[in-house]
Amino acid sequence: QKEVEQDPGPLSVPEGAIVSLNCTYSNSAFQYFMWYRQYSRKGPELLMYTYSSGNKEDGRFTAQVDKSSKYISLFIRDSQPSDSATYLCAMRWTQGGSEKLVFGKGTKLTVNP
Amino acid sequence: SAVISQKPSRDICQRGTSLTIQCQVDSQVTMMFWYRQQPGQSLTLIATANQGSEATYESGFVIDKFPISRPNLTFSTLTVSNMSPEDSSIYLCSVNLYGYTFGSGTRLTVV
Repeated sequence: QKEVEQDPGPLSVPEGAIVSLNCTYSNSAFQYFMWYRQYSRKGPELLMYTYSSGNKEDGRFTAQVDKSSKYISLFIRDSQPSDSATYLCAMRWTQGGSEKLVFGKGTKLTVNP
Repeated sequence: SAVISQKPSRDICQRGTSLTIQCQVDSQVTMMFWYRQQPGQSLTLIATANQGSEATYESGFVIDKFPISRPNLTFSTLTVSNMSPEDSSIYLCSVNLYGYTFGSGTRLTVV
């Protein structure tokens, strides 16, 4: 079982739709949960960063964490063609002085005008 | 957040050769991270580079294949040595400064 599972899609939606992206994880040691957006031929760009269970909203984006179920989500409201990208979930692992991010495979999203 | 400059942005290399990738950050940071993104796979940490000490490698990655330098708090290099087609991938550096920021990546093709 991989530490982080993410449906790679692809996911295709019409403009204005609500998009739901999800990841599950198995390691209870993960502390921080992030969502990145990656456009083609670009590096990942940090979208959202959460620590505790619950919701965090930033404009059209809402990140949701459920630590009891080991499940995180990203919701995009009023999706736009410019949202077309690959979305990566990532989780921070630390031990002693070491730290790293563990990523899902990414979900490729296309928003059609 | 930090601004990361990474170069080259892409390269096509012959098998058996080596490529050195540079990463420059606009702020001083303790740790710099090198990741690999293979087609259809998750971003995976190769190693963590601390200034003034040996890099720490993840399981499956070795120093002879991926030597790393960290001469100061704003710069690091990753070398991909004795390359084979399996090394074709995107290599990214990252720092954690008010959030984990990534460079734009180096797209490597080995022929």
